[in-house]
This record gives sequence, structure tokens and C-alpha cells, in this order.
Amino acid sequence: GAVVSQHPSRVICKSGTSVKIECRSLDFQATTMFWYRQFPKQSLMLMATSNEGSKATYEQGVEKDKFLINHASLTLSTLTVTSAHPEDSSFYICSYRWGVGETQYFGPGTRLLVL
Amino acid sequence: AQKITQTQPGMFVQEKEAVTLDCTYDTSDPSYGLFWYKQPSSGEMIFLIYQGSYDQQNATEGRYSLNFQKARKSANLVISASQLGDSAMYFCAMREGQGGANNLFFGTGTRLTVIP
Repeated sequence: GAVVSQHPSRVICKSGTSVKIECRSLDFQATTMFWYRQFPKQSLMLMATSNEGSKATYEQGVEKDKFLINHASLTLSTLTVTSAHPEDSSFYICSYRWGVGETQYFGPGTRLLVL
Repeated sequence: AQKITQTQPGMFVQEKEAVTLDCTYDTSDPSYGLFWYKQPSSGEMIFLIYQGSYDQQNATEGRYSLNFQKARKSANLVISASQLGDSAMYFCAMREGQGGANNLFFGTGTRLTVIP
């Protein structure tokens, strides 16, 4: 699959601060990106679908005002966790679809720890 | 009902032996795709293998093969000649319908440990 980078790979922040996570496609144009969250010892859960040039679509139970998604270009989608709290500590992974069966490929992920 | 069920929370296999990781799925959609991913301790999700619901033959990718039994709704992953680097979490996933619009549902995963 094509290459996707995520930055930062790891972040520790104080409760109440906002954290921005970038997902960048390096060698292809992604009209749609997906954001997942994975709590320790659990599976991946889809948070939202990020569409270039339009508003993101959020899954039920995911607060759109807390998890701001911006997909302003075909190569960059950002997830901002606003006013982060310890319960937001998780592994956040972006993803895109490509190729046979629209196989879903994942970025390397960002570990967020909120103190 | 769970879309994807992985009943083995943990599995052990001797190095160089083969191992089967179980996955069953639930869907009424005739068109779907089944995927297996490997997640090592670093956290990245590595795509291993894909099987389409209309594919006649079982998918294979190197040491990975998917034992697709449509009537039983099972899509077990077989890893042959296990290596120490195969130790990781393995997730089975399914997407229903055509195209890329639909969600990818994941199972709870199986932790595989390869014993030297």
C-alpha cells in the first residue's frame, strides 16, 4: 500500500490542553481518511470519516466538538483532541483505503497520554 | 450480534510450526470483504491478507493463507512456518457491501506468541 505518516508518534499533555495529530499521505491523494481509536487491550473503533473539503462524519457517541477533524487538502487530515482529559488517553490511528477490495491501510499511530 | 468473533484471546505456537487463528463473521450482505491485520507491540496495524466474498479460491500471501468457508461463515488465518517475529496481536475484520463507504468491523483480536 501507499505510505501514510502520522505526527507526533507519541504525546504527553496536561489535562485541559488541546492536541493536534496530523495524518499525511506521502505518495497518493486521499479524498477520504478514517480516524480510529484503540484503548489498551481493545480493538480498533472507528471515530470518524474525514472527507477532503467537507465536514467529517462522526460515529455515534463520538463528540464532534471534542474531536475536531480537518481535511483541508488531499494529503493532510488532522485530528485535534480539544480540552483533553485522562480518559482520552488512547492510541489514535488514521487510515485510508486503496487497491484490491478497497483494502484499508493504517498509519503508524499516535499514542496520547493525558496526565 | 457481533459482526466479527475471534474466540481465542491467546495462542501459543512452536517456532517453525503452523498455527490457525479462528475468525467467524456475521452478515446477511452477499457482498463483503474479509481482512486480517497484525499489530506488533509498536502499535502499527499491518495488513496481511484479503478475501472477497465472491472469490472462489482461498487467498494466500506468502506464509499467510486464509481458510475461507463461506457456508460456515469462517475466515481462519493460517500462518505456516511460524517465526519469532510473528508474535503479535492479530485482528480479523470485515466490511460489508461494495466500495469503500462502509465501516470496517474488527474482532477483539488474538495474541499469538511464538515459542523458540
